Amino acid sequence: DAGVIQSPRHEVTEMGQEVTLRCKPISGHDYLFWYRQTMMRGLELLIYFNNNVPIDDSGMPEDRFSAKMPNASFSTLKIQPSEPRDSAVYFCASSYFRTGELFFGEGSRLTVL
Amino acid sequence: TQLLEQSPQFLSIQEGENLTVYCNSSSVFSSLQWYRQEPGEGPVLLVTVVTGGEVKKLKRLTFQFGDARKDSSLHITAAQPGDTGLYLCAGAGANSKLTFGKGITLSVRP
Repeated sequence: DAGVIQSPRHEVTEMGQEVTLRCKPISGHDYLFWYRQTMMRGLELLIYFNNNVPIDDSGMPEDRFSAKMPNASFSTLKIQPSEPRDSAVYFCASSYFRTGELFFGEGSRLTVL
Repeated sequence: TQLLEQSPQFLSIQEGENLTVYCNSSSVFSSLQWYRQEPGEGPVLLVTVVTGGEVKKLKRLTFQFGDARKDSSLHITAAQPGDTGLYLCAGAGANSKLTFGKGITLSVRP
């Protein structure tokens, strides 16, 4: 298996622009997680899905953030409008179990100017 | 909120030295995972500990889960430059979610 695939690897955008991050989980994994990593706050769970259904989005910072999982092989995290404080590395991870081993993608590094 | 505190935050040592780092909480976890993250990559699981007092070894790395399942330690024997990275612990708590610590940045100088 190719592992969790994220795109883009790097994104530089200007404040106010829409950003869409994409993730392809490992086939057969029932859980998909979106995390954000910064030096100050470490790894923060934003939202997770089980069988394509959003289960817990309590970590989503505000209404500017939204996530979808239209099918078992694809998820998006959208930020609209983006702000400089959204600059971070965003990770997608998938897993067989809710608290089982997480398989992370390589991350999408977002810089909002 | 279940918090995991990792210490020390940063550690720089010479190749060949031994070290121990810690992951502490006031909460009880059903299991605890350790991950290593290298620059530009996502974290990769090293080990999962489940039973209080459990000790697991992975080559030169020894992981221990506290008896009360609130804390864990990672001991590295004869550290090598390849051990350099960010070490993250993550606990599975009563809310059935994984909570991550902020990590320990380890640098091993040749």
